[in-house]
Amino acid sequence: DTEVTQTPKHLVMGMTNKKSLKCEQHMGHRAMYWYKQKAKKPPELMFVYSYEKLSINESVPSRFSPECPNSSLLNLHLHALQPEDSALYLCASSQEGTSGGAPGTQYFGPGTRLLVL
Amino acid sequence: GQNIDQPTEMTATEGAIVQINCTYQTSGFNGLFWYQQHAGEAPTFLSYNVLDGLEEKGRFSSFLSRSKGYSYLLLKELQMKDSASYLCAVYTTSGTYKYIFGTGTRLKVLA
Repeated sequence: DTEVTQTPKHLVMGMTNKKSLKCEQHMGHRAMYWYKQKAKKPPELMFVYSYEKLSINESVPSRFSPECPNSSLLNLHLHALQPEDSALYLCASSQEGTSGGAPGTQYFGPGTRLLVL
Repeated sequence: GQNIDQPTEMTATEGAIVQINCTYQTSGFNGLFWYQQHAGEAPTFLSYNVLDGLEEKGRFSSFLSRSKGYSYLLLKELQMKDSASYLCAVYTTSGTYKYIFGTGTRLKVLA
């Protein structure tokens, strides 16, 4: 099973709402990632979790709050977002992405398309 | 700084061969990946190079020259379904270990 699942597929929220994006993988991967992707642009790294600990935060605003409850799950909590946060949010996982050894291939989920009104 | 460049757009004809280039300047290099991304979908893995040379996988090949900071993806016998964005990503070991994506190349295959 090389699948990463994400829910919901689409999300529309107002600037005062609180919502969460969910990501799940059962490949035994120990590194999980959140990316933000705007139309016709490459994915931009937001957060990396390695062995369920936050290892990279790319200076993301605090209205985005990641959480890794266990080795298979990754959440992204959203609060008080701005219209410019509208984008495709991609989750990815890899065998071992932050230990300095040979990098594993990243497997991406289908993404959540977020629209902030 | 970290910089990965690709051409923005390319157009080719069905059945032809196309080469998509990627140049990179990163402090700390531990491999280069190519991904394919169809519009509205997630990126999918195509190839990985960590040593110099050519890796071949069916219609797709990828080449790496570490001394030149250069890679290319070669697509042969183009099909309409190859119309997609192609993303070059470097795994960097500078400070923190992470993947950095290039700007992406949108390939359009014409009949």
